[in-house]
Amino acid sequence: KQEVTQIPAALSVPEGENLVLNCSFTDSAIYNLQWFRQDPGKGLTSLLLIQSSQREQTSGRLNASLDKSSGRSTLYIAASQPGDSATYLCAPYRGKFYFGSGTKLNVKP
Amino acid sequence: DADVTQTPRNRITKTGKRIMLECSQTKGHDRMYWYRQDPGLGLRLIYYSFDVKDINKGEISDGYSVSRQAQAKFSLSLESAIPNQTALYFCATSAGLAEKETQYFGPGTRLLVL
Repeated sequence: KQEVTQIPAALSVPEGENLVLNCSFTDSAIYNLQWFRQDPGKGLTSLLLIQSSQREQTSGRLNASLDKSSGRSTLYIAASQPGDSATYLCAPYRGKFYFGSGTKLNVKP
Repeated sequence: DADVTQTPRNRITKTGKRIMLECSQTKGHDRMYWYRQDPGLGLRLIYYSFDVKDINKGEISDGYSVSRQAQAKFSLSLESAIPNQTALYFCATSAGLAEKETQYFGPGTRLLVL
């Protein structure tokens, strides 16, 4: 069974900082890995999808990397803004999605 | 209009009651899922369906049942609700794209069992 761990569980930073969220998973036989954002009272929204053959994906200020062999992924957020405050979840996929418990990010103005 | 809708958005019920959570989608996807989210535990898969005639148990299906009434509708039932079923419930859909597979989530149903 795929086990997904996200570190840290919570993070509070001042606006403008660059930050890194970490995700580790136990089964490297995945089709892809995704990072989702969850806002309070709302569902999850996919931010970035990295296919198993890829090493990284970028979207605006977000960059996600994947090292499948070591079971690790990182989400890099550049120049953080208060609007980035949310919970970020990683989810490796192979037939089903397995979700980590998330990193709750607070960006202070 | 939202692509994936859930009703109700909030529900308070008593132990032993039967309740149904409903999910509808306009994305035309064959695959639909029900998850529950508890604080600190992430999302856990309850049931999933890859088409109208397909129903599969997830990792925590005990105490729950589902019905796939149509491609667009997938309902989750708690036959006799208990307090530890208090959680946030999400419905999701996907197209089945292998390496490009992603999921689209509804806004969630917050359930409180007293």
